[in-house]
Amino acid sequence: QQPVQSPQAVILREGEDAVINCSSSKALYSVHWYRQKHGEAPVFLMILLKGGEQKGHEKISASFNEKKQQSSLYLTASQLSYSGTYFCGTEFGDDKIIFGKGTRLHILP
Amino acid sequence: GAGVSQSPSNKVTEKGKDVELRCDPISGHTALYWYRQSLGQGLEFLIYFQGNSAPDKSGLPSDRFSAERTGGSVSTLTIQRTQQEDSAVYLCASSFTSGRNYEQYFGPGTRLTVT
Repeated sequence: QQPVQSPQAVILREGEDAVINCSSSKALYSVHWYRQKHGEAPVFLMILLKGGEQKGHEKISASFNEKKQQSSLYLTASQLSYSGTYFCGTEFGDDKIIFGKGTRLHILP
Repeated sequence: GAGVSQSPSNKVTEKGKDVELRCDPISGHTALYWYRQSLGQGLEFLIYFQGNSAPDKSGLPSDRFSAERTGGSVSTLTIQRTQQEDSAVYLCASSFTSGRNYEQYFGPGTRLTVT
């Protein structure tokens, strides 16, 4: 049931774009996205509910494709502050959140 | 309070002892989550409280783990007869929903080391 995140790691230059995918083998009710910097607690980015919506947060947005059971996180014109590990958390309507293994993002100046 | 607070920030305990971890959520947040994160690993969901409803405890790793939330506010996570594999950072988060707006905030975590 653990969602699969891809890629596992990505290195970008400042200003480049990135997409992080989160795929589930089971029908999703909602997807949560978080960013965690080394040695810090995670920071909640956004939640997407089933319905195929897209949400935005600064230059970070996400989509939720119910048919594909997948969510994608889009980082545009990446900034140094975007570096960290991104986790998706999937919920199947039972109030439990199952997290992917994370995607490590490193932004080079 | 300004944010979610957790205490203690660090706890070192001997194998077999009981420990109690505390979480003070943001005032007015009706939902509270407990997670744990082992060194270098991802996030593991433990339990979720919504208001005064009884939580689903099936996410807790073993029957040595229990959690309470008193008065819909402060929560305690208790680990009995601690084992070395319980060593991790225990994170608490609280959330708020208003219409289609949802926000979730994490506390700084309690680092538990079982020796």
